[in-house]
Amino acid sequence: DTGVSQDPRHKITKRGQNVTFRCDPISEHNRLYWYRQTLGQGPEFLTYFQNEAQLEKSRLLSDRFSAERPKGSFSTLEIQRTEQGDSAMYLCASYKISRAELGELFFGEGSRLTVL
Amino acid sequence: AQKITQTQPGMFVQEKEAVTLDCTYDTSDQSYGLFWYKQPSSGEMIFLIYQGSYDEQNATEGRYSLNFQKARKSANLVISASQLGDSAMYFCAMRGSTDSWGKFQFGAGTQVVVTP
Repeated sequence: DTGVSQDPRHKITKRGQNVTFRCDPISEHNRLYWYRQTLGQGPEFLTYFQNEAQLEKSRLLSDRFSAERPKGSFSTLEIQRTEQGDSAMYLCASYKISRAELGELFFGEGSRLTVL
Repeated sequence: AQKITQTQPGMFVQEKEAVTLDCTYDTSDQSYGLFWYKQPSSGEMIFLIYQGSYDEQNATEGRYSLNFQKARKSANLVISASQLGDSAMYFCAMRGSTDSWGKFQFGAGTQVVVTP
């Protein structure tokens, strides 16, 4: 399977702990996105990369959140000092820029975080 | 800033009937793209259909069609001949040209339940 993969699929942690999620996009895709989704809501934009450059970060993202894509391939999303409000599904998506106005996002299956 | 509004939190539709899901958007971009995604209870986001702002014809993909009314800033999804497998959350999304076709903005979604 050569789709977007995320790891881990599920993570349960205690409040105050740090967690890290990994996303492997489709290999030729140069743009990579992170979204957060809570139950019954639409995906909320967090940040996105073009190759290794982080081009935009949501103002809603606190300093406890950081994302990297060091070599323009896989990406990590780290949440430090987790809070119960961080409990959500974290979705990764990617696509390849060809014609800039086209191209749908390809999503991974998500990483579900539960903070106790 | 871009905004997507989906005013129908939930809908019931009988099998084999057609259903229309509403989506309105707000943007100052001259060029933009509109997308619909389906999210079944299993959680994966499935791309359904795309409409470009300069496309003169409404997009169609199998049983899905997009009723694009640019002046009204609406992009409604029509599902014809509903099937039980169409039961899912449906999200409208857009991205615009101003920020290099970067951020995809999603609506809050509409839950569709298809009944026998």
